[in-house]
Amino acid sequence: DADVTQTPRNRITKTGKRIMLECSQTKGHDRMYWYRQDPGLGLQLIYYSFDVKDINKGEISDGYSVSRQAQAKFSLSLESAIPNQTALYFCATSAPGGSYNEQFFGPGTRLTVL
Amino acid sequence: QKEVEQNSGPLSVPEGAIASLNCTYSDRGSQSFFWYRQYSGKSPELIMFIYSNGDKEDGRFTAQLNKASQYVSLLIRDSQPSDSATYLCAVRKAAGNKLTFGGGTRVLVKP
Repeated sequence: DADVTQTPRNRITKTGKRIMLECSQTKGHDRMYWYRQDPGLGLQLIYYSFDVKDINKGEISDGYSVSRQAQAKFSLSLESAIPNQTALYFCATSAPGGSYNEQFFGPGTRLTVL
Repeated sequence: QKEVEQNSGPLSVPEGAIASLNCTYSDRGSQSFFWYRQYSGKSPELIMFIYSNGDKEDGRFTAQLNKASQYVSLLIRDSQPSDSATYLCAVRKAAGNKLTFGGGTRVLVKP
């Protein structure tokens, strides 16, 4: 079974619609992240959370919101989707502490906004 | 200037040759450096990390770090077609566990 899962894996929506992307993990990690990746570009951090009561904005948080429902669940919402939010979205987790802790990525959600 | 820069490629390498990938970063306070491999349409997976100046070897991969010059490189020896992927450089600063990613270098290994 996958340690980090994302639902849905693919989503096509229309401009102005509200959508939610969900991430669940069984790794027991406290830290969770949401990234977006545009074609040919690296990963840009949207939001991150170091524990259930901690939410922080990343580089590109405008137009997005998040909810950390539990240690294992971290959801990303687009309140009113727009076409330039079409991208591949990844959730990631890591253990706390240390300088070298690896981030583990989910399989990604491909989002298309028409 | 981007915080982490990589040549987008593609870097075309004959099978069996050495692929050399470079990454430069702007924040001198950066502490840890990571190389992720990403196959097309898949999620990134960690292949190496390095935090001290010098070389670190793991199998066919060698990471090289030069903090004074603010660059980190990745060498892939005996390149195989299965090494064809995009390689992402990521940098971690002092606080927290956030990573800043470069745009990635696409590598094509030709049989």
